[in-house]
Amino acid sequence: EVFLVESGGGLVQPGGSLRLSCEDSGFTFDATWMSWLRQVPGQGLEWVADISPDGNTAFYLDSVDGRFTVARDNAKRSLSLQMNGLRVDDSAIYYCARGLIVVISPMSNYWEEWGRGTLVTVSS
Amino acid sequence: EIVLTQSPGTLSSSPGDSVTLSCRASHNVARNFLAWYQQKPGQAPKLLLYSTSTRATGVPARFRASGSGTDFSLTIDGLEPEDLADYYCQQYASYPATFGQGTKVEIK
Repeated sequence: EVFLVESGGGLVQPGGSLRLSCEDSGFTFDATWMSWLRQVPGQGLEWVADISPDGNTAFYLDSVDGRFTVARDNAKRSLSLQMNGLRVDDSAIYYCARGLIVVISPMSNYWEEWGRGTLVTVSS
Repeated sequence: EIVLTQSPGTLSSSPGDSVTLSCRASHNVARNFLAWYQQKPGQAPKLLLYSTSTRATGVPARFRASGSGTDFSLTIDGLEPEDLADYYCQQYASYPATFGQGTKVEIK
């Protein structure tokens, strides 16, 4: 059973913006780190952003830092990724994934639960 | 950033065979914080193992992994047709989390 469902993908022009959402129908949303990862179809996986359970701490891939913003609403069990200044090389399937309960610096996350993904295409 | 290099790129083997996939890190992976994922065509990745050798919930015992430091491996004992997939290693010892480029397992 898939508890994480992404939405908001689509076609956008370079320089444009898009907001992805992830709804969680599971039971542990506010207890775990949540992440966004992406994958160009036919290529490998790339971590994009993490956010802590309380939403106060976020980490970003260098190439998206300053352009993307991850946020969460624990009351609504939802995760979002605001993507501004989109580039052609941001085109990918974007996955929402559930990380760990505790992350002790400098470690990051691994992900036991993933959504099905939403496709973002940046093209003129 | 820790760069992970997987080999071979593609592996073709027969049902029942044992196959071994390699993952080599550019720097020491502290506390052996390495995970393996399986991704079948058209699906999201599925966690197989974490902390180098601990199987995730529901993962069959034919998937086993080992390693330390910079050299890690995943072995599939008794390959089954349903094991057709791409396999990725991932380190979570430090930010950014990074993935290998993947090994494609084909079934003869």
